[in-house]
Amino acid sequence: DIQLTQSPSFLSASVGDRVTITCRASQGITNYLAWYQQKPGKAPNLLIYAASTLQSRVPSRFSGSGSGTEFILTISSLQPEDFATYYCQHLNNSPYIFGQGTKLEIK
Amino acid sequence: QVQLVESGGGVVQPGRSLRLSCAASGFNFKFYGMHWVRQAPGKGLEWVALISNDGGNIYYADAVRGRFTISRDNSNNTLYLQINSLRAEDTAVYYCAKGSQGVGALDYWGQGTLVTVSS
Repeated sequence: DIQLTQSPSFLSASVGDRVTITCRASQGITNYLAWYQQKPGKAPNLLIYAASTLQSRVPSRFSGSGSGTEFILTISSLQPEDFATYYCQHLNNSPYIFGQGTKLEIK
Repeated sequence: QVQLVESGGGVVQPGRSLRLSCAASGFNFKFYGMHWVRQAPGKGLEWVALISNDGGNIYYADAVRGRFTISRDNSNNTLYLQINSLRAEDTAVYYCAKGSQGVGALDYWGQGTLVTVSS
């Protein structure tokens, strides 16, 4: 099975900061990677699919990059509503594993 | 607009069975693969199962294979998850989610239904 490792697990940042979250796959998955945001008590929300395509109605400060085994989610200028937990997920083949998550907290 | 509404959760004793439902609306259900994803209290997301649009292809996570059965009724726009031999570690919020075309990311999610396994 393909495993995903997100880093960091916790991230403390301030409004206006640029942050990056990395997701590494145990084997190549071309661009079959998605990023989700989850706020406490809510369902996840799709941000990025196909590694770098922004889902509709997602703010342009979110961007994704990478292919193969290394992927990056970037938030260019943190807004108060961005403090949440972020997950990557591969969609290369079953099982469609999620990363362990990155909790983004206010500094 | 797309809506996914889960139901069927509750408190159940270990070893018992439960069937979760997910009522879909706002899109052409029969054209899309559908997933179940769960989240134990305070933990991360765990992918559980996928069923293709016509039910012809089904995939499970290793942790649930043999005890969980995913199915769908395209005439009633409903997704199901049958859970047998419930264990304490099955305690979680269970989400249904719609798969998108192409790469197939999970583009719409329900609000989740909580399953608590306890004696």
